[in-house]
Amino acid sequence: EVQLAESGGGLVQPGGSLRLSCATSGFTFSSYWMNWVRQAPGKGLVWVSRIQTDGTKTAYADSVKGRFTVSRDNAKNTLYLQMNSLRAEDTAVYYCARGKSGGVDLWGQGTLVTVSS
Amino acid sequence: QSALTQPPSASGSPGQSVTISCTGTSSDVGGYKYVSWYQQHPGKAPKLLIYEVSQRPSGVPDRFSGSKSGNTASLTVSGLQAEDEADYYCSSYGGNNKVVFGGGTKVTVL
Repeated sequence: EVQLAESGGGLVQPGGSLRLSCATSGFTFSSYWMNWVRQAPGKGLVWVSRIQTDGTKTAYADSVKGRFTVSRDNAKNTLYLQMNSLRAEDTAVYYCARGKSGGVDLWGQGTLVTVSS
Repeated sequence: QSALTQPPSASGSPGQSVTISCTGTSSDVGGYKYVSWYQQHPGKAPKLLIYEVSQRPSGVPDRFSGSKSGNTASLTVSGLQAEDEADYYCSSYGGNNKVVFGGGTKVTVL
């Protein structure tokens, strides 16, 4: 069974940092681009970041560029998102999602990040 | 990179059809065949319905169909059922390894 399980969310103060993880199983992780997508409370889906199969290429939404860093460990089948200089507007459920044809096909259940003092 | 434009809401009676539009630009929807559609029920993770404009993953009913003309993609849900009441999102490859989502459409089954 294919599984994506995010962890690492929580409450953090503005300006703080957090590292999200996404443990995967049931598919060949190293063969897929992987994405992070977020959803603020009551709002729509917003793409955050994307990383190539071997980690050599990455891309970011303008709203997080320079503050967030995506990485992966293919030996551990795990995706990461390092989030620095967090702002209130970064508050959202963060989903890990497997890439397919320029979009995504499989999603984790999400982890909630709350940025508040 | 702006979000794709979707109508905020759409509705139909059981058995009817509803079509949701997703408008972008020649840099995203119009420039690639990589448009996807997702269904999200409250409190749940999204589910892929359509990829590459009109392809259905296995297990998705053929009541769901996708198309594209120019910079606008569309999702049609035929034979509406109560369980189709949900939020629907489109996405497109946006070039430079980026992805862009639409703002979402809430579908109500009357």
